[in-house]
Amino acid sequence: GENVEQHPSTLSVQEGDSAVIKCTYSDSASNYFPWYKQELGKRPQLIIDIRSNVGEKKDQRIAVTLNKTAKHFSLHITETQPEDSAVYFCAAEAAGNKLTFGGGTRVLVKP
Amino acid sequence: NAGVTQTPKFQVLKTGQSMTLQCAQDMNHNSMYWYRQDPGMGLRLIYYSASEGTTDKGEVPNGYNVSRLNKREFSLRLESAAPSQTSVYFCASRSGQLNTEAFFGQGTRLTVV
Repeated sequence: GENVEQHPSTLSVQEGDSAVIKCTYSDSASNYFPWYKQELGKRPQLIIDIRSNVGEKKDQRIAVTLNKTAKHFSLHITETQPEDSAVYFCAAEAAGNKLTFGGGTRVLVKP
Repeated sequence: NAGVTQTPKFQVLKTGQSMTLQCAQDMNHNSMYWYRQDPGMGLRLIYYSASEGTTDKGEVPNGYNVSRLNKREFSLRLESAAPSQTSVYFCASRSGQLNTEAFFGQGTRLTVV
């Protein structure tokens, strides 16, 4: 089945700097790659997603890139703010509506 | 619009006890999922139901059973709880169409002593 690896597991950045989180997946048939943000004690919520026919997508300060050949995708957060502090999860969807998540990245933005 | 609702929010069980976690969604979604989240770890898929009437194992199904009662409800049962099942459990639902967002419930914090 699908296996999603996520790095790093923790990331500390200064406010205003950029943060990059990387994920790799194993199933070449996967075609949908969402990113979720989970604030402390809350449920995960979708922040951005990308489909396999697109190489890059941007929404204000966040962007995702996808390299299908290498089977990896990344989340980029620019001009980080304290409210960006959270756990971020990548995921990949393989056949049959099965959504597999990575291990998560705890991001701390230091003021 | 409640979205995805899980009950209970908190539960403490003794080793060997059984319980059922309930999940209901009001978005007319076809697909539903159960995940567990251990401290410092990601979301691991226990079971999922791509559509009403079907269920499939995820990454960590041992010790659990599920029932897709109808389109709205998807329950998770622990027949004989073990301390290793101490975790936060999240139910999620999706429309079932390709490439769509998953909506999560608020989670159930389960402690097995």
